Amino acid sequence: LAKTTQPISMDSYEGQEVNITCSHNNIATNDYITWYQQFPSQGPRFIIQGYKTKVTNEVASLFIPADRKSSTLSLPRVSLSDTAVYYCLVGDMWNKAAGNKLTFGGGTRVLVKP
Amino acid sequence: GAVVSQHPSRVICKSGTSVKIECRSLDFQATTMFWYRQFPKKSLMLMATSNEGSKATYEQGVEKDKFLINHASLTLSTLTVTSAHPEDSSFYICSAFDRGTYNEQFFGPGTRLTVL
Repeated sequence: LAKTTQPISMDSYEGQEVNITCSHNNIATNDYITWYQQFPSQGPRFIIQGYKTKVTNEVASLFIPADRKSSTLSLPRVSLSDTAVYYCLVGDMWNKAAGNKLTFGGGTRVLVKP
Repeated sequence: GAVVSQHPSRVICKSGTSVKIECRSLDFQATTMFWYRQFPKKSLMLMATSNEGSKATYEQGVEKDKFLINHASLTLSTLTVTSAHPEDSSFYICSAFDRGTYNEQFFGPGTRLTVL
């Protein structure tokens, strides 16, 4: 079971880069790493997904070292609207029916200040 | 990305009654749907996995007779909380996944259940 650990909270200021690291020491070979953003009383929203090395899209970057025991979500130039809870999810959805686990981290509350 | 809806968004019921929550994938066929539960300021906890046309697989500690899941079609899954009690009050979120089309799960907006 790939237990995940994230910092509980993080403060930042508008325009700064925010980096959130998730530890997943027991990640399995077939597991992917996915990051989600969640606002209060809403469902999570997909941000980015990766398996190894670096992935970048229009909103974030995801850095995964060679041993894959951790991952870092990087949010460039955050704004006030980026204040939310960010979750990392480690697992293999394709084989979930076979009983593999999907493990959400505890979430990191990011507060962006003006 | 694909859209997943949930209905109702909020429900208040009396203790002892049953509540049904619907999860629909609006623009894709979901071969798999997941049901999560989330308590205030806590992370999402996976309750069960349902694959279209087969019985749901429940996570350890989740009572299958209390949380009935039906995934009768590729676009609809339902979660019925039977004989609800105040401790069942929570935020219930579904997600949908299509193995052949996407490599991510799409979440619904969630349903806030309050049991009086």
